[in-house]
Amino acid sequence: QKEVEQNSGPLSVPEGAIASLNCTYSDRGSQSFFWYRQYSGKSPELIMSIYSNGDKEDGRFTAQLNKASQYVSLLIRDSQPSDSATYLCAVNDEAAGNKLTFGGGTRVLVKP
Amino acid sequence: DTAVSQTPKYLVTQMGNDKSIKCEQNLGHDTMYWYKQDSKKFLKIMFSYNNKELIINETVPNRFSPKSPDKAHLNLHINSLELGDSAVYFCASRLRDYANNEQFFGPGTRLTVL
Repeated sequence: QKEVEQNSGPLSVPEGAIASLNCTYSDRGSQSFFWYRQYSGKSPELIMSIYSNGDKEDGRFTAQLNKASQYVSLLIRDSQPSDSATYLCAVNDEAAGNKLTFGGGTRVLVKP
Repeated sequence: DTAVSQTPKYLVTQMGNDKSIKCEQNLGHDTMYWYKQDSKKFLKIMFSYNNKELIINETVPNRFSPKSPDKAHLNLHINSLELGDSAVYFCASRLRDYANNEQFFGPGTRLTVL
């Protein structure tokens, strides 16, 4: 059973600070990794995808991937109250028909 | 608007009933998925269709039957509903591009079985 693990939180962050979220995965063969943001009562919204080792930046978001250590992280710079949500890490299994396995999510609370 | 849409948004029904949820995407994607998110917010895949062909069929009760009339539509029919079926069901779609595996989710259908 391929697993994706996240700290459930809540991760409490002061407004303007950096939120750091981590995710580990069990399938060493995974090649595609995603971060989704889910507000309460809403659907998951894709915010970052990363396929290669290293960092990928998009606005205030930076995804970091280390395949050797099997972890992927998400940094949110200059955190805003509107960033308060649950962040879901997802790992793609190409061999299984591009099936996404999700972690349990990390709840982030940004306090003004 | 280009999007993944689902109907209905809310579904409240009695145990033992049969119900269907519909999903449509106008993104031009050729792969569609059904996910279930339970009360603990854990999101898990159920089924996937690629251009009307079933390609993922996870371990779900056979009371759940997906149907894809064309590559833009994927419906989910549930027979003999049980209390444990209460959850939010999300449809998602993906373009079959080997360089891009991004999936996009619909708004969800909140199913409550009484």
